[in-house]
Amino acid sequence: DIVMTQSPDSLAVSLGERATINCKSSQSVLSTSNNKNFLTWYQQKPGQPPKLLISWASTRESGVPDRFSGSGSGTDFTLTISSLQAEDVAVYYCQQSYNTPRTFGQGTRVEIK
Amino acid sequence: QVQLQESGPGLMKPSQTLSLTCTVSGDSVTSGSYYWNWIRQPAGKGLEWIGRIYISGYTNYNPSLRSRVTMSVDTSKNQFSLTLTSVTAADTAIYYCARDLAAAGHFDYWGQGALVTVSS
Repeated sequence: DIVMTQSPDSLAVSLGERATINCKSSQSVLSTSNNKNFLTWYQQKPGQPPKLLISWASTRESGVPDRFSGSGSGTDFTLTISSLQAEDVAVYYCQQSYNTPRTFGQGTRVEIK
Repeated sequence: QVQLQESGPGLMKPSQTLSLTCTVSGDSVTSGSYYWNWIRQPAGKGLEWIGRIYISGYTNYNPSLRSRVTMSVDTSKNQFSLTLTSVTAADTAIYYCARDLAAAGHFDYWGQGALVTVSS
């Protein structure tokens, strides 16, 4: 199984400041066939299912604010919230779909400082 | 608008068999573009992928649960289902159904989740 490890487990950021979440995979999730990273980011708010934010490591889904961005390749990835808003308080997960079983990071809780 | 809705027993006793159904609207389970998945989340914890099924009947299960899991599709009702045998307290979780694009593997639509509690 590909192990996904996120850091930190939680972080507190002031409103309007930058939040950065890291995700590391135990093996590369970059496909040589299409040169795409099979890495996805989700946001989960209390009492709700996860919401797809970013796919292919850096492609923002329709309707996702542009303050959310994803970067990285191979085994190291980053989700950045450029200017934290109150509605961004949530747990964020990375997930690999390079192979099965699909695996998720343990989650990073983002709070307001 | 694609919607998924889980339905299931809620409360179960150890050793029983869990059966959950996901009803899909706004899309068809016969679509060849998607896999249909089950994912679970114990309270306050992370996400665990249980497995997926394709319209052809092809299934793919998490090895950690493979011996106890079966998935199926009912095209007449536009539903897919999960069966988990010999449940224990460790199977207590919110169970989500979700769709993923076969070529990508990320989950774009999720149900609201069904809480399953296993307790004697």
